[in-house]
Amino acid sequence: DSGVTQTPKHLITATGQRVTLRCSPRSGDLSVYWYQQSLDQGLQFLIQYYNGEERAKGNILERFSAQQFPDLHSELNLSSLELGDSALYFCASSQVGQGASEQYFGPGTRLTVT
Amino acid sequence: GESVGLHLPTLSVQEGDNSIINCAYSNSASDYFIWYKQESGKGPQFIIDIRSNMDKRQGQRVTVLLNKTVKHLSLQIAATQPGDSAVYFCAENMEEASGTYKYIFGTGTRLKVLA
Repeated sequence: DSGVTQTPKHLITATGQRVTLRCSPRSGDLSVYWYQQSLDQGLQFLIQYYNGEERAKGNILERFSAQQFPDLHSELNLSSLELGDSALYFCASSQVGQGASEQYFGPGTRLTVT
Repeated sequence: GESVGLHLPTLSVQEGDNSIINCAYSNSASDYFIWYKQESGKGPQFIIDIRSNMDKRQGQRVTVLLNKTVKHLSLQIAATQPGDSAVYFCAENMEEASGTYKYIFGTGTRLKVLA
């Protein structure tokens, strides 16, 4: 158990809908990272927050957004969902905001768009 | 559990043998590298890391080798066990022009341990 929690574990929704994925980092970690993992691909970095502020941006679509709250939990919002958005979404946390740091991954949320 | 990377390269190793998993990274400026293990239905799990000022680092049953000349990283697992069966990812940490850092993950290699 990494100490990172994600909810829900599974999510099935229809195209055009909007969903919110939730992540609670390990106790003491200030950074949260979001990743997308499609069936035949590795992990694609989406976005990072550090202590409530956006720190780095990766391949995140404009239909997607995220935020980190004062209690450090984070939410990833996915809107106007398309079939291609079906994937595993992982959250990871680390102590530092940038530079070399081990990331601890949550169990993931499996999103299925039908 | 979930299947990750149905078409990943696969390495099959006999139980008790040593495994070597290779990774080519993309950016010569990357200064930190990590190997992750991902079992079916689970999130990636940290195995070992190495900084660019080193060329070898050893952990428990695992060794990471870094060859900066050819931008190559390898993970060696000694005395491979059935519990080592998983998908293994390398990741490089690089600083962007904006001063931010991000991780780039490789596509992964599936390790199958044969009894």
